[in-house]
Amino acid sequence: EPEVTQTPSHQVTQMGQEVILRCVPISNHLYFYWYRQILGQKVEFLVSFYNNEISEKSEIFDDQFSVERPDGSNFTLKIRSTKLEDSAMYFCASRGRSGNTIYFGEGSWLTVV
Amino acid sequence: AQSVSQHNHHVILSEAASLELGCNYSYGGTVNLFWYVQYPGQHLQLLLKYFSGDPLVKGIKGFEAEFIKSKFSFNLRKPSVQWSDTAEYFCAVIYGNNRLAFGKGNQVVVIP
Repeated sequence: EPEVTQTPSHQVTQMGQEVILRCVPISNHLYFYWYRQILGQKVEFLVSFYNNEISEKSEIFDDQFSVERPDGSNFTLKIRSTKLEDSAMYFCASRGRSGNTIYFGEGSWLTVV
Repeated sequence: AQSVSQHNHHVILSEAASLELGCNYSYGGTVNLFWYVQYPGQHLQLLLKYFSGDPLVKGIKGFEAEFIKSKFSFNLRKPSVQWSDTAEYFCAVIYGNNRLAFGKGNQVVVIP
């Protein structure tokens, strides 16, 4: 079964450093998402991406965050200057043209120290 | 604003007991509803989904959910749980045909 893959699975970074989280969505999917889950809290929507542009973003997704689909297969989330409160599990997800099921990757654990 | 509510965040029960997790959503239009499960240390996995048709939906691992439109609810049930059902369960709803909104989750612990 096709799946969404994410790298790295775990990253530890110092506060203020830039982080790039990578995702390879399911190959024929057109809609891409990033969600995050702070330890012990609910899964929160960050951003959705379609047709090479952001279609929606939450209030969490401020100027420190950006997304890119650089080569037609990868979908990246960049945090420019990480803060302690950015420590969370970041999930990439994708959805096809038909149907509304969103499939999630295994997540990337980000720890900011 | 659209929201998804899950109550009883922590549930502890014995093997073979029945499980029911409540989910209520606020959106009054057409909805697509999901239950996701997150086993310890793992990613979110789709348990079951409702788009239309029979409001009683069967999912994997013996789970089912019932959509009651009048109550804006989509409760998850399993008649007899196993230790391996220990996980966090998230109800989610798509609105605006784009964003998937999650409830806060139910942490379920099944005692052998």
